[in-house]
Amino acid sequence: DQQVKQNSPSLSVQEGRISILNCDYTNSMFDYFLWYKKYPAEGPTFLISISSIKDKNEDGRFTVFLNKSAKHLSLHIVPSQPGDSAVYFCAKVTDKLIFGTGTRLQVFP
Amino acid sequence: DAMVIQNPRYQVTQFGKPVTLSCSQTLNHNVMYWYQQKSSQAPKLLFHYYDKDFNNEADTPDNFQSRRPNTSFCFLDIRSPGLGDAAMYLCATSREPAEETQYFGPGTRLLVL
Repeated sequence: DQQVKQNSPSLSVQEGRISILNCDYTNSMFDYFLWYKKYPAEGPTFLISISSIKDKNEDGRFTVFLNKSAKHLSLHIVPSQPGDSAVYFCAKVTDKLIFGTGTRLQVFP
Repeated sequence: DAMVIQNPRYQVTQFGKPVTLSCSQTLNHNVMYWYQQKSSQAPKLLFHYYDKDFNNEADTPDNFQSRRPNTSFCFLDIRSPGLGDAAMYLCATSREPAEETQYFGPGTRLLVL
């Protein structure tokens, strides 16, 4: 029972453009989600979160949108930079974190 | 100023030979977690300690054990590693359980020969 799904294993975006990473979820009464970013040879680091009292949360170039009716969230990065190249995990917060499989973002010049 | 430290970064062991992975933290967090992540899969929680209380996930094999001798250190013991246990093992900490922000170490990549 995969409660958090990231259906795109990879995404390639040109520098300066928008990156949109998607995540779908199931079985959630209380919607609280996190995005983590992971560089090679490093552990995941917390990026941004969103709860069900909001449908949008913004932090600089990063914005997360939550569509509760569709059980879908997305992370927007605008403008994308080469340093954003990493694996991005969405995670659902229950009594523990349930992670998706990640999307590898590559931002090319 | 490393906050969550994992040693070693790479570990090679033989099939069936016990191996221990270590994690230490300088954050003085109450909770320490161990995750297993296989290639192209999501990190999967194995167990966590809330202070001295050990919480095992229902589907974590008995082959995996953990020890937390003090607040700063936590160990993952694999009693008889199989080929299927080759993975990245991530340690994480948080102040309280289910707190949204967990701080991860860099991971230990385990190879089983």
